Amino acid sequence: EVQLVESGGGLVKPGGSLRLSCAASGFTFSTYSMNWVRQAPGKGLEWVASISGTGAYIYYADSVKGRFTISRDNAENSLYLQMNSLRPEDTAVYYCAGDPPQYYYDSSGSYYDPSYYFDYWGQGTLVTVSS
Amino acid sequence: DIVLTQSPGTLSLSPGERATLSCRASQSVSSRYLAWYQQKPGQAPRLLIYGASSRATGIPDRFSGSGSGTDFTLTISRLEPEDFAVYYCQQYGTSLGFTFGPGTKVDLK
Repeated sequence: EVQLVESGGGLVKPGGSLRLSCAASGFTFSTYSMNWVRQAPGKGLEWVASISGTGAYIYYADSVKGRFTISRDNAENSLYLQMNSLRPEDTAVYYCAGDPPQYYYDSSGSYYDPSYYFDYWGQGTLVTVSS
Repeated sequence: DIVLTQSPGTLSLSPGERATLSCRASQSVSSRYLAWYQQKPGQAPRLLIYGASSRATGIPDRFSGSGSGTDFTLTISRLEPEDFAVYYCQQYGTSLGFTFGPGTKVDLK
């Protein structure tokens, strides 16, 4: 059974820091691009950051660039989000989400890219930024 | 940046009725990079459709996706009680990352 379990959320003051974790099981974690997606209370979904399976490629939404850092540990099947300089508008439920590999085959062997959608989601962890 | 607009904002229907949800992009989107999700209160989103028209694993065939370019549609052929939820479209834009639409709420008439 596939599981993504987030942890590390909580109440933090503006300007503070928090580190979120996501523990993965039930699938080949190292082949999945992983993402953080957030949802402010009563609002829609907002993509936050992506990291490729090897960790070589990382992308951020403009709203968090320079403040948040995504990372992963494939040996531990874990994804992380280090959040610094937090603002009240960062208040949200943060979901980790998996982007499955799309495999390709040619004469030199096989390789894969992300599929660019999210088929696995955790249940989310709430981050509240307030004084 | 590509902006996704979903309409209507709210769709009030009865079980057994057909639901047609629209997702419009501000510029052309590759069908490969268009997905739909369902979200119920207090739950994580669930993937329904990827590649504009492919159903995800375990998704009933009453859900279908179509469209290309800037106009995409999610159709629920006959609403079941468990289908009342919020639906989001999502696109991927190379180095710009992912964008979600604002959502369409399907509620009970």
